[in-house]
Amino acid sequence: AQSVSQHNHHVILSEAASLELGCNYSYGGTVNLFWYVQYPGQHLQLLLKYFSGDPLVKGIKGFEAEFIKSKFSFNLRKPSVQWSDTAEYFCAVKLMNTGFQKLVFGTGTRLLVSP
Amino acid sequence: EAGVTQFPSHSVIEKGQTVTLRCDPISGHDNLYWYRRVMGKEIKFLLHFVKESKQDESGMPNNRFLAERTGGTYSTLKVQPAELEDSGVYFCASSLTGASYEQYFGPGTRLTVT
Repeated sequence: AQSVSQHNHHVILSEAASLELGCNYSYGGTVNLFWYVQYPGQHLQLLLKYFSGDPLVKGIKGFEAEFIKSKFSFNLRKPSVQWSDTAEYFCAVKLMNTGFQKLVFGTGTRLLVSP
Repeated sequence: EAGVTQFPSHSVIEKGQTVTLRCDPISGHDNLYWYRRVMGKEIKFLLHFVKESKQDESGMPNNRFLAERTGGTYSTLKVQPAELEDSGVYFCASSLTGASYEQYFGPGTRLTVT
């Protein structure tokens, strides 16, 4: 079965540190890729998405992600985190050309940024 | 524009009881999805409606779960009878039709079965 792996379950950083969250998926076909974020007490919201084209995508709040097809990866990065980035981050994949629209999620990464 | 709304936000029921969760999608979104997150695990797909029709119900765990979307607007997810392992957060999402449209998520319903 298709799966999404997020390698880090918990990450603790100090403000201004750089962030990279790993995401790998297991599916050999065409995919759409997403990073969602859930801030404390809020609902899931989309950070960024990749459908096609430039494999480096930029999202909201200074986040970016790079799709590396050969590695089946879609890692999330931010050069300098802020306390307000404390949240849970989810990588998700939509399998294209299957007739289905469901998202397959990773287990999530809890990020705590200390001031 | 109002987002996806879910009711209730929390529900605590005893094993064997029935619970009905409701989701109101964004107006004009034909696609409605249900997902569930059991504590510590990934968010898992349950099913997908296009208007009032079930497009994909491959993630429904068993026949104790019944989802409906009468009239193609709001949806309900009924669990009857509830078991301990049904505890978790149930998310609803909606989207426009087309491969390039994102899914917008509601705040979730936290279900606790005791």
